[in-house]
Amino acid sequence: DSGVTQTPKHLITATGQRVTLRCSPRSGDLSVYWYQQSLDQGLQFLIQYYNGEERAKGNILERFSAQQFPDLHSELNLSSLELGDSALYFCASSVAGRGTEAFFGQGTRLTVV
Amino acid sequence: AQSVAQPEDQVNVAEGNPLTVKCTYSVSGNPYLFWYVQYPNRGLQFLLKYITGDNLVKGSYGFEAEFNKSQTSFHLKKPSALVSDSALYFCAVSENTGFQKLVFGTGTRLLVSP
Repeated sequence: DSGVTQTPKHLITATGQRVTLRCSPRSGDLSVYWYQQSLDQGLQFLIQYYNGEERAKGNILERFSAQQFPDLHSELNLSSLELGDSALYFCASSVAGRGTEAFFGQGTRLTVV
Repeated sequence: AQSVAQPEDQVNVAEGNPLTVKCTYSVSGNPYLFWYVQYPNRGLQFLLKYITGDNLVKGSYGFEAEFNKSQTSFHLKKPSALVSDSALYFCAVSENTGFQKLVFGTGTRLLVSP
């Protein structure tokens, strides 16, 4: 158990809908990362927060947004969902920035039908 | 921008034989390098990292990795493979400036046959 908790584990929703994925980082970790894993795109970095502030942005679509709350948990919001958004979404956390390993949650499997 | 290449989609090895999973990287400045493993329906698990110092890094489950700056490589190795090592392996790199953004390779599936 990595100590990173993601909910829900599975989500099935229709195209055009909006969903929220939740992540609780390991105790003491200030950095939270979001990744998308799909068969055709591999593991794609989406966004990183550090102590409530956005710090790095990757290939995140405008339809997607995230935030990190004062208690350090994070949410990833996906809206106007398309079939191609079906993927495994991972949250990871680390103590701080450079050189520290990230610990991953078990992921949320999103299926858009 | 940093990037990682894992040139092999799959590596097959017999149990008891040594294994190597290849990774090359591209980054401005000095890299931070990581290896992760993913078992089916699980998240990624950290194996080892290179930050600075000794080029041979030892990690979990008997794995080690060799950092080679001239070849920009960070290959994962194990002297004797186990069937239970069969999984998906990811190499990742981050730059040593600014806040860490971990960029992953496409992954290499390791199959260890009995």
